[in-house]
Amino acid sequence: AQSVTQLGSHVSVSEGALVLLRCNYSSSVPPYLFWYVQYPNQGLQLLLKYTSAATLVKGINGFEAEFKKSETSFHLTKPSAHMSDAAEYFCAVSEDNYGQNFVFGPGTRLSVLP
Amino acid sequence: SQTIHQWPATLVQPVGSPLSLECTVEGTSNPNLYWYRQAAGRGLQLLFYSVGIGQISSEVPQNLSASRPQDRQFILSSKKLLLSDSGFYLCAWRQGRDEQFFGPGTRLTVL
Repeated sequence: AQSVTQLGSHVSVSEGALVLLRCNYSSSVPPYLFWYVQYPNQGLQLLLKYTSAATLVKGINGFEAEFKKSETSFHLTKPSAHMSDAAEYFCAVSEDNYGQNFVFGPGTRLSVLP
Repeated sequence: SQTIHQWPATLVQPVGSPLSLECTVEGTSNPNLYWYRQAAGRGLQLLFYSVGIGQISSEVPQNLSASRPQDRQFILSSKKLLLSDSGFYLCAWRQGRDEQFFGPGTRLTVL
């Protein structure tokens, strides 16, 4: 069964600094990988996804992530943090079409300091 | 394009009262449907998923139940709410192996 870990339940960065949110996965098959963002009292919004094409994936709001098979990682980065990036971020893995085989990580809360 | 609706947006209910939350999806057919709960400051807990009409799988034993009476309708229910049922409830859909799409959520407070 697949699983996702996110190192750091809370990450703080200064405005303008690099954002790095870590995600490691385990999967018995080539995975599909996703990053979602959640603002307070809202649903989750897809930031970007990896579906076995280019390993460097660009998403919305200036975020990107790189799939590294050897490290089983899919870390999310943004060169320069903005105050509006403060939110909860979830990494997820999907192995197949079956209903239950879509697993979310525990989430990382990103704070951006002025 | 596809859209997903949830209602109500917020709900305050007394302990022991019943619950019915509704989720509908437009613009797609035969989606997988999901109910999640987020307790305050916590991650996503998968409650139920459905791969078709009348097909419900439960991930966590609890006093909640789910039903899918129509292809694009997913209902979360309870006969008697507990304090621990408070949280943010999210409905989602997907097709195939690709991403899940989430609704706006329902904030439930049980007093």
